[in-house]
Amino acid sequence: GAGVSQSPSNKVTEKGKDVELRCDPISGHTALYWYRQSLGQGLEFLIYFQGNSAPDKSGLPSDRFSAERTGGSVSTLTIQRTQQEDSAVYLCASSLNRGDNEQFFGPGTRLTVL
Amino acid sequence: DQQVKQNSPSLSVQEGRISILNCDYTNSMFDYFLWYKKYPAEGPTFLISISSIKDKNEDGRFTVFLNKSAKHLSLHIVPSQPGDSAVYFCAASLIGSNYKLTFGKGTLLTVNP
Repeated sequence: GAGVSQSPSNKVTEKGKDVELRCDPISGHTALYWYRQSLGQGLEFLIYFQGNSAPDKSGLPSDRFSAERTGGSVSTLTIQRTQQEDSAVYLCASSLNRGDNEQFFGPGTRLTVL
Repeated sequence: DQQVKQNSPSLSVQEGRISILNCDYTNSMFDYFLWYKKYPAEGPTFLISISSIKDKNEDGRFTVFLNKSAKHLSLHIVPSQPGDSAVYFCAASLIGSNYKLTFGKGTLLTVNP
């Protein structure tokens, strides 16, 4: 079956612009996660969805970051007024249920803010 | 403050030999540990995990050892194969928050033919 897909694979934007990153989880997976990996760093947790609600947004770095999930499926991560420090690979993952420790990751979106 | 540390950025081993990847953690509330493997331009893929109630878990060529008193875990790959060349991430989750993984920075393993 299809894995987690993300689009776009690469995004180059100018400082101050807004960007939207999309994640399509594995069909039937109720839990969805966003992480980011900055250069030379490990993956950093951003937000977690169970269904359409986000019980834990604690990893979002600032109020410029927001995410939503609709229909218990697709999720969009939005970064407003992008800054150069937002440059990173943004990874989405999904799991069948909240309690599953094994998360299946997408290939990521590489965001470059000039 | 990094709670999961992989102090070796890279490791090079000969095909057929053992690869040992190490990971240290600082938070004693972590109760579940995972290893992920990542190839370039792909997302991480789950490899093996271990609960804090165990000290060893084995899956084929891969074995994870957990030393809770030392807050240390290691991944052993025997025998190593060139296809194992990838970045390996150690991750941990907290009691009651098992959805939130805390990752180390990764170790690049190169297995030479």
